[in-house]
Amino acid sequence: GQNIDQPTEMTATEGAIVQINCTYQTSGFNGLFWYQQHAGEAPTFLSYNVLDGLEEKGRFSSFLSRSKGYSYLLLKELQMKDSASYLCAVRDGDYKLSFGAGTTVTVRA
Amino acid sequence: ETGVTQTPRHLVMGMTNKKSLKCEQHLGHNAMYWYKQSAKKPLELMFVYSLEERVENNSVPSRFSPECPNSSHLFLHLHTLQPEDSALYLCASSQVREGGADTQYFGPGTRLTVL
Repeated sequence: GQNIDQPTEMTATEGAIVQINCTYQTSGFNGLFWYQQHAGEAPTFLSYNVLDGLEEKGRFSSFLSRSKGYSYLLLKELQMKDSASYLCAVRDGDYKLSFGAGTTVTVRA
Repeated sequence: ETGVTQTPRHLVMGMTNKKSLKCEQHLGHNAMYWYKQSAKKPLELMFVYSLEERVENNSVPSRFSPECPNSSHLFLHLHTLQPEDSALYLCASSQVREGGADTQYFGPGTRLTVL
């Protein structure tokens, strides 16, 4: 089966940096995705990694190490609107995404 | 964001009712997905349709019946559900190319409560 682990909750202060780790053990690997989901809303795509290394997109960066089965999402200059659940998902074939349970990030003033 | 729409947004039904969830994508994609999201649990893939053909059925009970009449529309027909089926049902779409599917884009979901 697929096993994707991420912390349940994290809290940080406005303007700070938070790093959300994700470890995975899957039968195959064809890319790793990060999604953001605000309460009651659709998950929205944040980033995609298929090769090792860092992908940067504005205040958000995502890192992948395939040999370690490890990724992180880095959120910089935190804003109140970044309070949300962050979902790590691994694609192990052509279509199927396996998701972690999500990390709820709370940003405090 | 109106790329993927879902109706209804909220649904309350009894265990003997029959209802349908509808999803429509306006992104020109050729694959559509149904997911179930229960509280504190990972999203669970239920069904995948690629080019209107079902390519994945993730051991879902037969009381859930999907239908994909064309590449823009996806339905989930519900019949004789159980209270444990109460959850957020999310639809997604993506473009399938040689070598796999691109990023999936999600609709806002239908919050289903089974009494």
